[in-house]
Amino acid sequence: DIQMTQSPSSLSASVGDRVTITCRASQSISSYLNWYQQKPGKAPNLLIYAASSLQSGVPSRFSGSGSGTDFTLTISSVQPEDFATYYCQQSYSIPRTFGQGTKVEIE
Amino acid sequence: EVQLVQSGAEVKKPGESLRISCKGSGYSFASYWITWVRQMPGKGLEWMGRIDPSDSYTNYSPSFQGHVTISADKSISTAYLQWSSLKASDTARYYCASSPRRIAVAVQGGMDVWGQGTTVTVSS
Repeated sequence: DIQMTQSPSSLSASVGDRVTITCRASQSISSYLNWYQQKPGKAPNLLIYAASSLQSGVPSRFSGSGSGTDFTLTISSVQPEDFATYYCQQSYSIPRTFGQGTKVEIE
Repeated sequence: EVQLVQSGAEVKKPGESLRISCKGSGYSFASYWITWVRQMPGKGLEWMGRIDPSDSYTNYSPSFQGHVTISADKSISTAYLQWSSLKASDTARYYCASSPRRIAVAVQGGMDVWGQGTTVTVSS
């Protein structure tokens, strides 16, 4: 299985801050990397697919980058509705593993 | 509207069997894989397996192979996740997900439609 490691596991930020979350794969996954946002009690929501493609309807303050083994999700100016847990997921091979999640909290 | 609607919460005893469902609507159900994802209380997302509804071909994570069965009935646009003998450690919320909204997402393996989740509680 490909292992996905996110860092940090949690972070505190203030509204308007720039937030960066990293995700590292245990082997190269090309650009087969997706990012999801999950709020408490809700299903995950796709933000970014193919490492850097913004899903329809997702605000442009979200962006993704990277390829191979190292990837980044950036929120350019975090808003109150962005406080949630974020997961990366590789879709390069089966099983399509998730990272352990990064919780973004209000500072 | 494109959506996946899951069956309701279940409370079971260890050793009992269970099947939960995920019904798709608003799109060609048989054209897109259905994936099942587990989330244990307070924990992260775990990819369990997936099914191609057109021919019921399945892939499983080694962590779940042999403990759950994924199936589908394309005639009623419904996928299933079942257990023959539940354990307390199966207590979790289970989501189904698929990729019917954008072809580009489907090709890349992202999941752009999710069910609301089914909570399964296993307790004696």
